[in-house]
Amino acid sequence: DAGVTQSPTHLIKTRGQQVTLRCSPKSGHDTVSWYQQALGQGPQFIFQYYEEEERQRGNFPDRFSGHQFPNYSSELNVNALLLGDSALYLCASSLALGGYTFGSGTRLTVV
Amino acid sequence: RKEVEQDPGPFNVPEGATVAFNCTYSNSASQSFFWYRQDCRKEPKLLMSVYSSGNEDGRFTAQLNRASQYISLLIRDSKLSDSATYLCVVNQANTDKLIFGTGTRLQVFP
Repeated sequence: DAGVTQSPTHLIKTRGQQVTLRCSPKSGHDTVSWYQQALGQGPQFIFQYYEEEERQRGNFPDRFSGHQFPNYSSELNVNALLLGDSALYLCASSLALGGYTFGSGTRLTVV
Repeated sequence: RKEVEQDPGPFNVPEGATVAFNCTYSNSASQSFFWYRQDCRKEPKLLMSVYSSGNEDGRFTAQLNRASQYISLLIRDSKLSDSATYLCVVNQANTDKLIFGTGTRLQVFP
């Protein structure tokens, strides 16, 4: 039984570019949440998707957007990248209010 | 004020020592509480949930004081393998949203 799968594992982008990160949830999970973890900080909630809709959103600008597909997989898109967007992006899947399972993350470096 | 506050450490302790981490949270309506462990450059992994009655899992004991909005984690007989960052996590009331503290780094030395 695969856990949460994220791709790519590492990525280097230039300021102003756009990036798409992908997440496949754990089998049986229907909810996907995205977190941003800057160096030396705890993960910060970006948003959560359930039934292909954004259900909750954290304090992130509109440059951060997402999508959930019918198979529950999800994408995180970031436009107009800034140096400050460099971080580990974590995807977590869950079922209703059940426990979270985190993926190993995508490490994004913006230069 | 941060929603979840932790001492960032680092805590440097010898093998066999007992170490305690503390955490406070600001939202009195918070419902669920956890400690996660995160190894360097890895994802966070659930260490244990925290209940008002206190709970123990081997060498690890977690306590919750709702009145003081305070959570603790006690590690007894520290092992080298316990070296990691320990994240205090609170579930925002009536949501699935997890609020993480900054994390407390533990380094256990021989």
